[in-house]
Amino acid sequence: DAGVIQSPRHEVTEMGQEVTLRCKPISGHDYLFWYRQTMMRGLELLIYFNNNVPIDDSGMPEDRFSAKMPNASFSTLKIQPSEPRDSAVYFCASSLRYEQYFGPGTRLTVT
Amino acid sequence: RKEVEQDPGPFNVPEGATVAFNCTYSNSASQSFFWYRQDCRKEPKLLMSVYSSGNEDGRFTAQLNRASQYISLLIRDSKLSDSATYLCVLRSNDYKLSFGAGTTVTVRA
Repeated sequence: DAGVIQSPRHEVTEMGQEVTLRCKPISGHDYLFWYRQTMMRGLELLIYFNNNVPIDDSGMPEDRFSAKMPNASFSTLKIQPSEPRDSAVYFCASSLRYEQYFGPGTRLTVT
Repeated sequence: RKEVEQDPGPFNVPEGATVAFNCTYSNSASQSFFWYRQDCRKEPKLLMSVYSSGNEDGRFTAQLNRASQYISLLIRDSKLSDSATYLCVLRSNDYKLSFGAGTTVTVRA
């Protein structure tokens, strides 16, 4: 069975550029979560969706971050403009009940 | 106070040894508990859920103590492949999970 799919796996960009991260959840899962992980702050929840509707975006750091889920099989996390402090690993996870299954992550470096 | 606290370790143990560590949580309303493992530069993966009565999955045993607000994980007969960071995870009253910073375990030959 396919797990959560994320792309790209690695992204290196310059400060000020727009970055779009993509996620395909496990088929049938109705919850989707976006996380950010850094050494300093650990794993932080940014936003989560239920049935494509954003439920809680209180973890989104600022207006430069936005997330969408246009359908049950696709979500994006966009950073515009990107800054060096956005460098982190961004994980997408999906769930049907409480156990969450993570994608391989996107390692973002902003120079 | 952090919602989930873990001893970061590292716990360095020889192959075949038993290793155990705890995690404490501050929200007494927490409803579900899990252990995830994370290998270096990989995603967190669900290891096991933790049930009120305690539960085993092969060499892994998890316990929950609601009165003292901690959960524990014990690994018997450690393998080299058990080397990882173990994340204590809890759910309160919605679908959000709270993750601890992790306990690092290194099993040496």
